[in-house]
Amino acid sequence: GIQVEQSPPDLILQEGANSTLRCNFSDSVNNLQWFHQNPWGQLINLFYIPSGTKQNGRLSATTVATERYSLLYISSSQTTDSGVYFCAVQTGTYKYIFGTGTRLKVLA
Amino acid sequence: GAVVSQHPSRVICKSGTSVKIECRSLDFQATTMFWYRQFPKQSLMLMATSNEGSKATYEQGVEKDKFLINHASLTLSTLTVTSAHPEDSSFYICSAMGNTGELFFGEGSRLTVL
Repeated sequence: GIQVEQSPPDLILQEGANSTLRCNFSDSVNNLQWFHQNPWGQLINLFYIPSGTKQNGRLSATTVATERYSLLYISSSQTTDSGVYFCAVQTGTYKYIFGTGTRLKVLA
Repeated sequence: GAVVSQHPSRVICKSGTSVKIECRSLDFQATTMFWYRQFPKQSLMLMATSNEGSKATYEQGVEKDKFLINHASLTLSTLTVTSAHPEDSSFYICSAMGNTGELFFGEGSRLTVL
């Protein structure tokens, strides 16, 4: 089956710093989403981005489907950005497979 | 965005009992819902795909007799953990797919089996 790897696995930042999270996938996908899982376990939709670039405030994402990767950019990070970031890819069978996750901690 | 509600958020039960978790799409119709399981500090593992009016499709290694999934309507899917044992303790999360293909998640249910 498809493999979805995220890097880095762990990231510690000072408040105000910028970061780039990466999601690599091993096969063609129909769709790709980025999520933020908060400390209570809730998954928050960040981007639905099968291709191209999108921006929402301090966050932006780019997916290059032909090269099988997606990037999530966080600028001017805040302590509330802490949590786990997941990418999830939708395969040809419509299933969404989750990546390994990046655990982010932003220090005040 | 679309709203998916999952209930209960926490449940504690004795070993051998069955537990039902409900997942509802509140403001859209979801022909497809997915159930995931998450162990501490790990990613989400897909358990099964639930399609309205048909039998669920389980992932390899997931016991369909242990985890009963029913998708009786376009807004409701249920997961029943039958004869639960301590190893079934986990965080279970449902999701519903909108007509654009985007996935929306419930709040999750934390199951503890004593």
